[in-house]
Amino acid sequence: DTAVSQTPKYLVTQMGNDKSIKCEQNLGHDTMYWYKQDSKKFLKIMFSYNNKELIINETVPNRFSPKSPDKAHLNLHINSLELGDSAVYFCASSQGGLSEAFFGQGTRLTVV
Amino acid sequence: GENVEQHPSTLSVQEGDSAVIKCTYSDSASNYFPWYKQELGKRPQLIIDIRSNVGEKKDQRIAVTLNKTAKHFSLHITETQPEDSAVYFCAAATNDYKLSFGAGTTVTVRA
Repeated sequence: DTAVSQTPKYLVTQMGNDKSIKCEQNLGHDTMYWYKQDSKKFLKIMFSYNNKELIINETVPNRFSPKSPDKAHLNLHINSLELGDSAVYFCASSQGGLSEAFFGQGTRLTVV
Repeated sequence: GENVEQHPSTLSVQEGDSAVIKCTYSDSASNYFPWYKQELGKRPQLIIDIRSNVGEKKDQRIAVTLNKTAKHFSLHITETQPEDSAVYFCAAATNDYKLSFGAGTTVTVRA
C-alpha cells in the first residue's frame, strides 16, 4: 500500500497551459504539504495544510492554487504555466508539524 | 522565517570512513530537526530525527547531535558503504507546520 501517492508521475506541457497534480495519503495524517524541488535539488515548501485549512503559503505566485477537499487529499492546480515552473513537485503528509513527513514519489513537470 | 544552512554541498569519502554534515538554523523557536536521504530519482525519506530536548541520538551507523545554544546540528555516518551514496537534507521545524530544508549534501562513497 502506497502511503502518499501523487499523479501523474511525469507531466510535459506547453507554456500557457493549465495543469493539475493530485495527491492522496492513506496514513490518517492531519497535515499535508507541497514542495518544489528545482534542478539544484533544493526542496522549497510551497503550501502547508492542516485539517483542510491553509496554514502556510510561502510566497508562491497565485497561478498556483492548492485545494484540499478532505484531510486525505491535497491537489495542486497551476494556471498559465511558465518555463520556470519546470521542477519536481513533491506532496507530503505528517501527523502535525513536528513529526516525520512522508513524501509522495514526485511529479516531474516539464514546461516546453 | 527559518533559514537552514547546510555544509558541505558535496562530500566524497572512502568506503569505511566517516561522513559528517553540518547544519545551522536561524529560528530559536525551532524544536524538531529531521534528516532525510534522497537517492537518485527517488523521494526523500527520513533516516533520523532529533528534538530540542535531546542533545544526541544514535541509530546503528547514523548519529545526530544538536547544540541549541549555537543553533547547529550535525549528521554523522560511520563505516560508510556504497549504498550510503545519496543526497542528504537537514531540516528544521517550529510549531507552525513549516519544515524548512537545507540545500542538501551530495555524498559519494568511493569503493
